[in-house]
Amino acid sequence: EVQLVESGGGLVQPGGSLRLSCAASGFTFSDHYMDWVRQAPGKGLEWVGRSRNKAESYTTKYAASVEGRFTISRDDSKKSLYLQMNSLKTEDTAVYFCARGQGGSYSSFDYWGQGTLVTVSS
Amino acid sequence: DIQMTQSPSTLSASVGDRVTITCRASQSISSWLAWYQQKPGKAPNLLIYKASNLESGVPSRFSGSGSGTEFTLTISSLQPDDFATYYCQQCSTYPLTFGGGTKVGIK
Repeated sequence: EVQLVESGGGLVQPGGSLRLSCAASGFTFSDHYMDWVRQAPGKGLEWVGRSRNKAESYTTKYAASVEGRFTISRDDSKKSLYLQMNSLKTEDTAVYFCARGQGGSYSSFDYWGQGTLVTVSS
Repeated sequence: DIQMTQSPSTLSASVGDRVTITCRASQSISSWLAWYQQKPGKAPNLLIYKASNLESGVPSRFSGSGSGTEFTLTISSLQPDDFATYYCQQCSTYPLTFGGGTKVGIK
C-alpha cells in the first residue's frame, strides 16, 4: 500500500526556517517524481515544487513564489522527500502536502500525504 | 504562467442530478489535465488524469472530456459522498497550476 506521511510543520516567526519531511512507503521511491503542494487556510491548491526521479538526476523545479527560498531534496535510502523553507513569510502559512507523480514529465498526482500545517506568525 | 479558470465556483445540486464542471486553460495544454476531489480537512484525491482517464478505484459516474483549452468533469448521478470541492490542474507546463475550485453543495 502506497503511503506518504509528512512531518515537521509548526509555528515559526517571519524570516525563520523550517524543514518538512515526507516519508514514503509501498512503492519504488526512486522511480517517481515527488512534489510539494500547499493550501493556505480556506484557499485553493498551489504547486510549490518538484523533484524529478533518479533517471532524471533528481533535478528540481519551483514556483516563482518560493524560488530561492525553498529547496527540495530527497534521500532514496530513507525513502524520504524534504522541503527546506528559509526566509519564511506570513503568506507561506499553509498546509503542505507531498504528492507522488504518476509517471513522467506530465504526471498528475496519484497519491497524497495527509498534510502538515506551517504557520508563519510573530 | 498558464491560468486555469473553473466555473462555476459553487453549485448546489440534489442527489441524482447530473453535474458538469468546466475548466478553461489560458493556452493549449493538449490533454495534460487532471481533476481532483477534496473534502474538508483531507488531501485531494485524483479522479481523472490526462483529461479523460478514470483513475483506478474511482466510480464510473465520474468522467472527463476535452482537449486544448476546454475541459469538463461530469458526475452522471450525484451521490451523497460527492459533495466536495473539485479542482482541475494542468500538468503540461511549469509552473503547474490549479483552477480555483468548484464547491458542490447540497440543494
